[in-house]
Order: sequence, then C-alpha cells, then structure tokens
Amino acid sequence: ETGVTQTPRHLVMGMTNKKSLKCEQHLGHNAMYWYKQSAKKPLELMFVYSLEERVENNSVPSRFSPECPNSSHLFLHLHTLQPEDSALYLCASSQDIGEPTDTQYFGPGTRLTVL
Amino acid sequence: GQNIDQPTEMTATEGAIVQINCTYQTSGFNGLFWYQQHAGEAPTFLSYNVLDGLEEKGRFSSFLSRSKGYSYLLLKELQMKDSASYLCAVMDSNYQLIWGAGTKLIIKP
Repeated sequence: ETGVTQTPRHLVMGMTNKKSLKCEQHLGHNAMYWYKQSAKKPLELMFVYSLEERVENNSVPSRFSPECPNSSHLFLHLHTLQPEDSALYLCASSQDIGEPTDTQYFGPGTRLTVL
Repeated sequence: GQNIDQPTEMTATEGAIVQINCTYQTSGFNGLFWYQQHAGEAPTFLSYNVLDGLEEKGRFSSFLSRSKGYSYLLLKELQMKDSASYLCAVMDSNYQLIWGAGTKLIIKP
C-alpha cells in the first residue's frame, strides 16, 4: 500500500534539535491530518488541512508546527521537544472533510523518540 | 465529554470467532468506523456503519445499534494474521473522528 507515505519511519532527536516529518499522499485527496498515537491511548488529532488551509488545531503546543504547501504534501516541523512527545506520529488523508463517508487513509507513521 | 470504550486486550484461538465490542458517547453521530492496525504499521480501514444493523464483508462483520451507542466487530475463521489492534472511531456532529484506545487481539494456534 503506497497511498500515503511518511518519512522518516524512525527518528531519534534531542530536546534542542530541529527536525521535520514528511507526509505525501498519492490518492488525489483534498484533506490531510496529523495524529499522535501513544501506547494504549486513543489517537489524538493534532492538525487538519483542507485544500492547504488549516481548519483544525487541537490546542497543540507551538513546538509542533505544521506546513501544507499543496494538497499532496504535509510536514510537521519539530523543535525543542520534550520526552513526553515521544510517540508514533501518523499522517492521514481523506477525499474531503465534512462528509460522513470521508474515510481516512493512513500512512505507516514516524516513530519519534525524544531523548 | 466524548468517550469511546473498547476492551484493552482479547485472546482467541485460530479458526474460532471473536467479537470486539465498542460503546460510545459522542456529541452527535455521523457514522462509526473500524480500523485494523498491525504492530508498527498504518491503521487500515475495515468498515463503516451509519445505519443500524449488520454489515458483512467476508470474514469480518460490523454491527451498529445507535439507540444503545454500541457496535461490535465480528471476526470469523480467525487466522494468525488477524493478530492486530482494532480501533473503533465515531464521527461526531462536527465530522471529527473520536477514537477508542484500541483492542489488541492475540490469536493463539
């Protein structure tokens, strides 16, 4: 399945580093999402973009900064992270938002470890 | 608040049947999704229910009762490859997905 790709798959960074996560979707979708997945917790929605416009920001700390240059690409820029930010970061896309049948398709995630 | 409840872990035997339950309390309802997630991989879409009743898709079926705020995923003829986490999610009135924490299903030979 190569509909939604994410790089890197694994990332280890120190608290003073700056890094970026990349997501690309090849499905012709208009909406893209960033989620955080921690062990034994529900998926936490971080950001939603529709046609490159941010439509949702669920009180995410400013050390996470999203960027959506076009409807196929989504980035998550990371700086001065904390150890509790260690998690699996998942990207997803859907045809649109605001429709009940908008199934989200996920990438494989980036496993982030903050030391 | 909004809440999705599902068991943390279940164990079943290869070839058997298992039912994974999900109960929800959300602000509005625009459908319920089930996803499968193998360890270290992407969640993949299994089913969508918006009307009451049973939807069958091969070995997997999903049931919904909106009046009871309840759904289940039924897996038949279990195979070892079905070992995974199963995520229940409800789309609320704002068309946002509210997720459960997932049920880890362990299949034993």
